[in-house]
Amino acid sequence: GENVEQHPSTLSVQEGDSAVIKCTYSDSASNYFPWYKQELGKRPQLIIDIRSNVGEKKDQRIAVTLNKTAKHFSLHITETQPEDSAVYFCAASIIGTGNQFYFGTGTSLTVIP
Amino acid sequence: DAGVIQSPRHEVTEMGQEVTLRCKPISGHNSLFWYRQTMMRGLELLIYFNNNVPIDDSGMPEDRFSAKMPNASFSTLKIQPSEPRDSAVYFCASSWTGGNQPQHFGDGTRLSIL
Repeated sequence: GENVEQHPSTLSVQEGDSAVIKCTYSDSASNYFPWYKQELGKRPQLIIDIRSNVGEKKDQRIAVTLNKTAKHFSLHITETQPEDSAVYFCAASIIGTGNQFYFGTGTSLTVIP
Repeated sequence: DAGVIQSPRHEVTEMGQEVTLRCKPISGHNSLFWYRQTMMRGLELLIYFNNNVPIDDSGMPEDRFSAKMPNASFSTLKIQPSEPRDSAVYFCASSWTGGNQPQHFGDGTRLSIL
């Protein structure tokens, strides 16, 4: 089955700096890659996603890039703010598998004011 | 849209007791997922249903765990008998499987087994 690895497990940045979280996947059939943000005590919430026919997608301060050849994708947060502090999860999914997601182990991001 | 609704939000019970967690998926979604989240093991998929049929229950840790989805708008996860190591946050998520679609998570049930 699919295996998703996520790095780093923890990340601290100064407010205003950029943060980058990287994930790799093993199954070349994976074609959908969502990113979730989970604040302390809350549910995971989708923040951005990318499909395999696209190399990059942006939404304000958040962007995701996908390299299908290397089988890795990354989340980029620019101009970080304290409210960006949370755990971020990447996931991979293969169409036709009932929409099962294979999640990474999470990155705890701390933005220092 | 009310989102995925889980109940109870918190459950504290003694070991050996039966625990039932409930989930109402988003109307129109045809896939439902049960996850368990702990600090040690992260987010684990326990079981998922497609059109009310269990597709993959390989993540269910033991026979003490069972899940049902009697109709498109309701699912239960049952633990009998419960043990302290079952303490975790249990999330339910739902999605539409027509193409690549995100899963939407409920607020979770925080379960503590004493």
